[in-house]
Amino acid sequence: GQSLEQPSEVTAVEGAIVQINCTYQTSGFYGLSWYQQHDGGAPTFLSYNGLDGLEETGRFSSFLSRSDSYGYLLLQELQMKDSASYFCAVRANAGKSTFGDGTTLTVKP
Amino acid sequence: EAGVAQSPRYKIIEKRQSVAFWCNPISGHATLYWYQQILGQGPKLLIQFQNNGVVDDSQLPKDRFSAERLKGVDSTLKIQPAKLEDSAVYLCASSPGQVYHGYTFGSGTRLTVV
Repeated sequence: GQSLEQPSEVTAVEGAIVQINCTYQTSGFYGLSWYQQHDGGAPTFLSYNGLDGLEETGRFSSFLSRSDSYGYLLLQELQMKDSASYFCAVRANAGKSTFGDGTTLTVKP
Repeated sequence: EAGVAQSPRYKIIEKRQSVAFWCNPISGHATLYWYQQILGQGPKLLIQFQNNGVVDDSQLPKDRFSAERLKGVDSTLKIQPAKLEDSAVYLCASSPGQVYHGYTFGSGTRLTVV
């Protein structure tokens, strides 16, 4: 089976940088995804790491280390609209993804 | 392109009643997923379809939950009879099924069982 650990809450101020970590235990690992979910909304895909290293998409970056079973999502130049829950998800065999319980990010002015 | 459509948006039922949810994925997406998201938790996979075949239903409580995807397009998820612990948001997602670019989720159905 799969298990994922991520912090339950993170708080930061507008304009700052925040990192959300994710550690996982799994068999048949393909890659690590990140999703954003605003209150009452649907999860929205942010990024995917299939290989070790850093992937950058605008203000968001994601990192993966397969040897450490570890990844993180880095959010730069935080904006109020970034306040949301962020989920890491392990993609395993047959393409299914197992999600962590999410990190609630609160951005303060 | 149109997103993943789900209905109804909200549903309140009494325990032991039955309920059905509908999902229409993005056109051409071969893979369809149903996830259950309990408040404060991450989405939990219930069932995965590839076209009209079931790929994984290992976490579907088959004594009360059923799902089908006739003709490999839209899908329905049914709960009969419902229990209080079934209160959750039921999310449908789809993906092309070949090159992975993440899932596209629908807005979900918020189910409250009283």
